This record gives sequence, C-alpha cells and structure tokens, in this order.
Amino acid sequence: SQQGEEDPQALSIQEGENATMNCSYKTSINNLQWYRQNSGRGLVHLILIRSNEREKHSGRLRVTLDTSKKSSSLLITASRAADTASYFCASTSGGSYIPTFGRGTSLIVHP
Amino acid sequence: DAGVIQSPRHEVTEMGQEVTLRCKPISGHNSLFWYRQTMMRGLELLIYFNNNVPIDDSGMPEDRFSAKMPNASFSTLKIQPSEPRDSAVYFCASSLHSGGASGELFFGEGSRLTVL
Repeated sequence: SQQGEEDPQALSIQEGENATMNCSYKTSINNLQWYRQNSGRGLVHLILIRSNEREKHSGRLRVTLDTSKKSSSLLITASRAADTASYFCASTSGGSYIPTFGRGTSLIVHP
Repeated sequence: DAGVIQSPRHEVTEMGQEVTLRCKPISGHNSLFWYRQTMMRGLELLIYFNNNVPIDDSGMPEDRFSAKMPNASFSTLKIQPSEPRDSAVYFCASSLHSGGASGELFFGEGSRLTVL
C-alpha cells in the first residue's frame, strides 16, 4: 500500500508561475524525500527532509514538512518548461529504512 | 561514477518465456532495491538487499519472480514464466545505508518489459 499520496495528480501551469505539490502520509516518518522523473527515465533525488525539520531549500525548490498534519509540500518557484516531469514523495517510517513511494504528481509547464 | 546501470533497456518477449533483468549498482553502495512501475499501481518495491543479502522480498508478486545478488556489483531479477500482466518498467536503485538512516536512492534508467 502507498504510504505517501501526492496531490494533485496532475498540474498544468505557465512558465514563470510557481508550482506546489502536496504529499500526505499515514504513519509517523523518519524522513521524507522528493524525487523527479522525466518521461522514460529513472527517478532522480531532489531533496530530503528529516522528521525534526520543518523547511528546506535547494535552489528553486522549497520543501515543508508538517508532522502534525502528516503532510509535506514541494514548491517550485519560477517554473521552467524543463521542470515538466512527474514528482514523487517517498517516506521511511518506524524501523524500516525502505522508502515507500506515492503515485506522483504529473507537472506540465507550458513555455 | 556511471550511476546505476540496468540492462536491457527494452525487452519484448512472449508469454511463457524467461526474462532476466540485470543491474549494476553504484560502487560502494550497500543497499539495492528492485521496483516495478505501472500506471495502475505506481512504483512498487519488489525486493531489497543489504550487503548482498535479501532483507525484504514481501513485494515479490509470486514464485515466478526471483532475485539474486551474488556480489556487491551485480543483481538479477528473473521472471519465469513471464505473463502479459508482468509488463511494466522495472527499476533498480542503490543507496548507502548507514546508522539506521536511509539516504537518497540512485535509480537506473529502467528496463521496460513487454510480454505479449
């Protein structure tokens, strides 16, 4: 079963706009990671946030974590056409260090 | 480093045939994962190895699936006999697991399997 579920399933925006994707999970986590997958390619790690962190930045990416709501968000600022991809959250929980992936958000950025 | 290398990238076979997918993890990584991705079910973990030992194979769908890791630089996922419902993209990923914390996974480009 999926631990994390992304929302929305699909997002279509214009270049320059911000894109926000959300991830909800069911059980307490150790950490949460976001990955990107371009069409026909493997997943690429973007950022990891630990359960004791609330916010993390990497370039145009901003990730927040709200453990009280069991949710995380990924914000991509000033989006580019090259950001078009699927974005997945993955979490580890309990004694397991095996990441469990959500179904992903498909992002399309129109030039 | 060349990253995680998977072969073949594409495989088309007929129902009943044996399929072997191969993976070379990143040198120095001690954890290896096999995932399967389909539109219907998303990304599913099939099996996880740590230091070449299978730790969790609860995701392996049935006895037709088997995985081995004879050494730290090579793993195989075998399906015998293959069925059309096995059609999917199979990903291998590796990571360096230490101190009870999981780090980032490095994925290969995947093997797209089509079973006719």
